[in-house]
Amino acid sequence: AQTVTQSQPEMSVQEAETVTLSCTYDTSESDYYLFWYKQPPSRQMILVIRQEAYKQQNATENRFSVNFQKAAKSFSLKISDSQLGDAAMYFCAYRRSSGNTPLVFGKGTRLSVIA
Amino acid sequence: NAGVMQNPRHLVRRRGQEARLRCSPMKGHSHVYWYRQLPEEGLKFMVYLQKENIIDESGMPKERFSAEFPKEGPSILRIQQVVRGDSAAYFCASSPPGRVSGYTFGSGTRLTVV
Repeated sequence: AQTVTQSQPEMSVQEAETVTLSCTYDTSESDYYLFWYKQPPSRQMILVIRQEAYKQQNATENRFSVNFQKAAKSFSLKISDSQLGDAAMYFCAYRRSSGNTPLVFGKGTRLSVIA
Repeated sequence: NAGVMQNPRHLVRRRGQEARLRCSPMKGHSHVYWYRQLPEEGLKFMVYLQKENIIDESGMPKERFSAEFPKEGPSILRIQQVVRGDSAAYFCASSPPGRVSGYTFGSGTRLTVV
């Protein structure tokens, strides 16, 4: 079975600085998707960024970028120029690409941003 | 184009009562997924439905829990004879048919069993 591990329960970053959240996963599949979701106190699950496993280029969305290491099964999220609004729980998730399979989530990392 | 709508936002039930959680997927989405989030945990998959069919219910407890997605109307997650351990946030996500990369989530229903 696929598993997703986030080894940092909590992280903090100074406003305007850069922070990296770690994620590793286990799968025997070769084609899959990886995601980072943000969950603010409102509870809404917001898609931050996604990566397709067959693409070697790391995905980037404005201040958010990933470091995807397929051989190491690692998928870290880098947040640059951190803002107070970035404070939230961040969840890493995996999904097989075949069919409409469900997402498998990690336990999350709580990010605090210090003014 | 409204997103995934879940209601109620908050639900309080006494032990032994029934809880009904509703999810209306985005327009054009025919696939619905239910997830449960316990405090300080990630989301755990419960059940995946298409219109009038349960596709995968491997994450749903065998007892007291059921789900449906009728031809007309929202998807319903039903919990009978609730216990304190059922207290959690329940999220619904939807996706269109075909190969898609991500799903759209609703805002969740927080169930509190007292």
